[in-house]
Order: sequence, then C-alpha cells, then structure tokens
Amino acid sequence: DAKTTQPPSMDCAEGRAANLPCNHSTISGNEYVYWYRQIHSQGPQYIIHGLKNNETNEMASLIITEDRKSSTLILPHATLRDTAVYYCIVRVATYTGTASKLTFGTGTRLQVTL
Amino acid sequence: GAVVSQHPSRVICKSGTSVKIECRSLDFQATTMFWYRQFPKQSLMLMATSNEGSKATYEQGVEKDKFLINHASLTLSTLTVTSAHPEDSSFYICSASRRGTAYEQYFGPGTRLTVT
Repeated sequence: DAKTTQPPSMDCAEGRAANLPCNHSTISGNEYVYWYRQIHSQGPQYIIHGLKNNETNEMASLIITEDRKSSTLILPHATLRDTAVYYCIVRVATYTGTASKLTFGTGTRLQVTL
Repeated sequence: GAVVSQHPSRVICKSGTSVKIECRSLDFQATTMFWYRQFPKQSLMLMATSNEGSKATYEQGVEKDKFLINHASLTLSTLTVTSAHPEDSSFYICSASRRGTAYEQYFGPGTRLTVT
C-alpha cells in the first residue's frame, strides 16, 4: 500500500471548517483513499473513502486532486467532539474475497477549540 | 449496523498469567477479523489477520505462540495473551470485515490491558 504524509497536528475553531491535508504521491491506480479517525481511547471510526471523484457524506467531504497525489478531508462545521487523530490511508479496495489490511500512519491530531 | 464489541474493556493481570480478549461482530458476519495493538501516543500496529475457520496470519515480529488468535465462528474472534509481561501492557483493538463493502473494517472499542 502507498505511504501517506500528514501534518502531525492542526487546530480549528469550533464552527469553522477543518481542512486536513494528505499527500500520497505514490498512490497506484487501483488504490482508494480512506479516512478514519480515532477519538482518545476509542477504536477508529470510518469517515469516508474515494478513488478519484470528490465524495461527500453526512460526516465529511473528501477532495482528491486530479493527479490523485493528494487529498483533503473537510469537516464543514467542526465541533469539540471532532477532536481526534485523523488517519489518511491508501489501499486497494476489495469488494469480494477477503479484506485487505489497513496500515495506519501517525495521522493528524486535530484540536477543535472554542 | 456493523457494530463490533470487545470484552473486557479493561483488564489488569499479574505477570505470567494469560488473558483472553473477545471480539464480536454483533449484527453482521465477519469473514475477516484483524487485531491491532496501540502503545501510548503511538499509532495502531497490525498484529494479525484471521479468516474464519483458518489459521491467523501474523505480522512480522509478532510472536504467534504468545498471542494466540482463534476465529472459530463468523461472529467471534479471540486473542489470548499468554504468559503476559508488563511490556505487553497496551490498548488492543479488533476490527471486523464483511464481504461486499469497500470500507469494510469496523472497529471495536478496544481493550486496555495492564500487566503488573
């Protein structure tokens, strides 16, 4: 799986948009970009994933550059409960057969403040 | 849907004893389960991958005789830490995967193991 690079930490004011960048310059054509987050002392939580088109769900939006070498996770209106470590992971998606593993990097520690 | 539970959430044991941690998929059949370990202020490290009915595949550096994994059914996997030592104290997290979805892995809440 391709390696990702994320800033170690970011701050965001509550109510503002949080934009978390991720570089994945060695991503392969069949690899998806996944985002998970981990709130302190809990298991990771899936947020969103995408291949090359921008994606949006009830939690966040994912913007992937045209060359797919980087992406941005956007939390449109951050709240204090969004304080967590956010992990950007690239891997091949498997719709059949057995699941492939997730390799977690160090992630970005997002601190949402009042 | 796609809820994964772990039991116990916290356990304290004495050095030299064994501890079993359960991971259950509550509302789906998990064809594959993963076990991770996380030390304080560090990221998750994959320990092993287990497919129902077959032996687990361990990551490099993980002792298979020390960390016994059993995936006997499509809803239950267990991790047994044998002859635990203080350095095994960590946060153990399981995840479960079901067939047919790309984001696949659903994580449990984790088990905090402290070995005294």
